[in-house]
Amino acid sequence: DVKVTQSSRYLVKRTGEKVFLECVQDMDHENMFWYRQDPGLGLRLIYFSYDVKMKEKGDIPEGYSVSREKKERFSLILESASTNQTSMYLCASTRGTSGDYEQYFGPGTRLTVT
Amino acid sequence: AQSVSQHNHHVILSEAASLELGCNYSYGGTVNLFWYVQYPGQHLQLLLKYFSGDPLVKGIKGFEAEFIKSKFSFNLRKPSVQWSDTAEYFCAAGSYNTDKLIFGTGTRLQVFP
Repeated sequence: DVKVTQSSRYLVKRTGEKVFLECVQDMDHENMFWYRQDPGLGLRLIYFSYDVKMKEKGDIPEGYSVSREKKERFSLILESASTNQTSMYLCASTRGTSGDYEQYFGPGTRLTVT
Repeated sequence: AQSVSQHNHHVILSEAASLELGCNYSYGGTVNLFWYVQYPGQHLQLLLKYFSGDPLVKGIKGFEAEFIKSKFSFNLRKPSVQWSDTAEYFCAAGSYNTDKLIFGTGTRLQVFP
């Protein structure tokens, strides 16, 4: 059973702080993704990674960066948190094998920036 | 531009009623289609998926979806809903050879006993 874990379920940070959100998957998946989920907007892709040290921008990368130093871990970084980054952040992974594109999601981190 | 549209934002039903949630996509080329569900307090999980073949796809918990290529639609159906189906449902689409998905805005389903 694939497990995707996220470091915190709830996080409260102040404007201007640097914020790290961590995601770990335990099934040797190739690809990892970071989304934010907002009411009425669904899931929007921030960044994704197809391999260690590889990253690509998603639809809303502004204000975010990512790091993937190890295959199982994908970090989302808010360099200087702002109130409009208050949201639910979801991490997901996929096997990367051709023909299987199911995304496996973590429980989410609800971030509040005050 | 690639997009996924879900027409119903909030649906309220009584138990045993039939359900149909709409999903339309705009995508060039061959597309993979998914429905994900998020139960209250739980993580997103896959309900069903369509890659190719039979356009009527059956998923978990009695859900099914029909791919209609001419209508660019992938509607989710269940003949008789239960209170435990209360959740948010997301339609998603991706190009056939990539893991990257575009999600719809979601439909919140409330089922009353």
